[in-house]
Amino acid sequence: NAGVMQNPRHLVRRRGQEARLRCSPMKGHSHVYWYRQLPEEGLKFMVYLQKENIIDESGMPKERFSAEFPKEGPSILRIQQVVRGDSAAYFCASSPRTGSSEQYFGPGTRLTVT
Amino acid sequence: AQRVTQPEKLLSVFKGAPVELKCNYSYSGSPELFWYVQYSRQRLQLLLRHISRESIKGFTADLNKGETSFHLKKPFAQEEDSAMYYCALSGRGSGNTGKLIFGQGTTLQVKP
Repeated sequence: NAGVMQNPRHLVRRRGQEARLRCSPMKGHSHVYWYRQLPEEGLKFMVYLQKENIIDESGMPKERFSAEFPKEGPSILRIQQVVRGDSAAYFCASSPRTGSSEQYFGPGTRLTVT
Repeated sequence: AQRVTQPEKLLSVFKGAPVELKCNYSYSGSPELFWYVQYSRQRLQLLLRHISRESIKGFTADLNKGETSFHLKKPFAQEEDSAMYYCALSGRGSGNTGKLIFGQGTTLQVKP
């Protein structure tokens, strides 16, 4: 079991471009959480998804950010028209059960907006 | 407000010295508390959770509901314990989505 996979590991975007971050959960896991870590801060919850459903998006910024977890393929966190303040590490975690705090983290994607 | 506070950004000790990483929380309800660790160049991994009441790599943590604390302790620090440590909480019971609330993290540096 390769664990949670995230790609790319590093992503550089210019202001105004789109960023797409991918997360493949552990085998057998159908629940995905996304967290963001701004410089000098702890991880902050963004969104919780199950296959084809967004369950809790209370931590998502209201604009420019969206997430999906299709029936087939990885979960995608999409940031449109990136700004410098979006520069952060984005972590994905997967879980085997509904609403479980038993979460396994990926290595993260470090987004840099220039 | 739901919050986890780790007051120390950096804790530096000598090998063999006792270690205590502090964690305080604020939560209306009955939370589940965790300690996560991130070693250099590795991913975040669960170290221990309060409901299991076990010791991992010599570390223990006791939930003190009166003081709303969940401090992480180890009697004798080892160099390989050097890492970033995060305290986190999650709600329990029906309706909770399992999302984790993290503290800011404490870097533990164990000097030889």
